[in-house]
Amino acid sequence: EVQLVESGGGLVQPGRSLRLSCAASGFTFDDYAMHWVRQAPGKGLEWVSGISWNSGSIGYADSVKGRFTISRDNAKNSLYLQMNSLRAEDTALYYCAKDTAGRRSSSSPLDYWGQGTLVTVSS
Amino acid sequence: SYVLTQPPSVSVAPGQTARITCGGNNIGSKSVHWYQQKPGQAPVLVVYDDSDRPSGIPERFSGSNSGNTATLTISRVEAGDEADYYCQVWDSSSDQVFGGGTKLTVL
Repeated sequence: EVQLVESGGGLVQPGRSLRLSCAASGFTFDDYAMHWVRQAPGKGLEWVSGISWNSGSIGYADSVKGRFTISRDNAKNSLYLQMNSLRAEDTALYYCAKDTAGRRSSSSPLDYWGQGTLVTVSS
Repeated sequence: SYVLTQPPSVSVAPGQTARITCGGNNIGSKSVHWYQQKPGQAPVLVVYDDSDRPSGIPERFSGSNSGNTATLTISRVEAGDEADYYCQVWDSSSDQVFGGGTKLTVL
């Protein structure tokens, strides 16, 4: 059974940093691209970042470019999101999602999602 | 940037057919995926590559895509289908793109 378990969320002041983690199990982690998708309270889904199976291709939404860094450790079956210079508008539930392809920049769907970890940016 | 436009809400009576649209420039040339999200739950993939269904998704869920509009069709709607639905595509200039979501209400 595929499982994606996010952690690392919490309350943080504007301008500070936070690191999210996603522990994957039930599939061959290093075969697939992975993504972070967020959802602000009462709002829709927003793609944040994606990384290919071998970390060779990485992409970011314009809203987080230069502030967030995605990474993965295939030996630990883990995905990460380092979030710096956090803003109030980054407040959201952050989901880890599995791609059905190894390449990041493809038209493949996201077939499994975690339950999310909540990030609240407030003073 | 590439934009996907969905109606904010769609209402349908039980047993009827619901159609949720997703508009985008020449979306017919892209692969469209649809996700269902019930309150307090993570999204679930219900249709991928315009019209394919993952295992475990009822045949009542189907999709089509042509021109500037993709459509998710839910036949014989049940109360349990009430949820938010999102379309998604990949675009070379915008990367992964989600529509704004449509709230399906079963009357």
